[in-house]
Amino acid sequence: RKEVEQDPGPFNVPEGATVAFNCTYSNSASQSFFWYRQDCRKEPKLLMSVYSSGNEDGRFTAQLNRASQYISLLIRDSKLSDSATYLCVVGRVTSGTYKYIFGTGTRLKVLA
Amino acid sequence: EAGVAQSPRYKIIEKRQSVAFWCNPISGHATLYWYQQILGQGPKLLIQFQNNGVVDDSQLPKDRFSAERLKGVDSTLKIQPAKLEDSAVYLCASSSRGRNEQFFGPGTRLTVL
Repeated sequence: RKEVEQDPGPFNVPEGATVAFNCTYSNSASQSFFWYRQDCRKEPKLLMSVYSSGNEDGRFTAQLNRASQYISLLIRDSKLSDSATYLCVVGRVTSGTYKYIFGTGTRLKVLA
Repeated sequence: EAGVAQSPRYKIIEKRQSVAFWCNPISGHATLYWYQQILGQGPKLLIQFQNNGVVDDSQLPKDRFSAERLKGVDSTLKIQPAKLEDSAVYLCASSSRGRNEQFFGPGTRLTVL
């Protein structure tokens, strides 16, 4: 079982739809949580960090449930430009070093 | 502010050949990462440097892969000899310190024939 698991999709949604992605992590020692966005043939870029209290950035809302060890990303009013792969990333200390573990990504395609 | 630079952007080699990739992190970033991203998968950490010291190379196939970060700035990743399964995008990232946002370079797309 992978340490960070995501549904690979693809999620095909019409413009204007609301879509949600979940991500589960297996190591309870995980300390930080992020969503990165990766466009086709491009590098990953930070979309948002995820906090226990939940956080919102425009049309994007991220939530963390430590008890159930999952992270979610909600996108409202989807735009064509939201089409990308969304990577769930978990950070934790291992052997005295802080490291990041990436999920496989969830592919989103927003359709006109 | 300049981002993370990588070269070359693309490389095609035959199996058993050698290849080297170069990365220049964002100025002042102490932590540098090399990731391997195979098509359809998330990035997998190969090696992590803190300044010029290795802090994690547990997933680096050391029989064929090597990396160095001389003077704590630029870094090179080498594969010798390459195998077909090494075909992937090699991403370099840097952060100001280990717990902060990582900034990625554009990657080097390696094809091994």
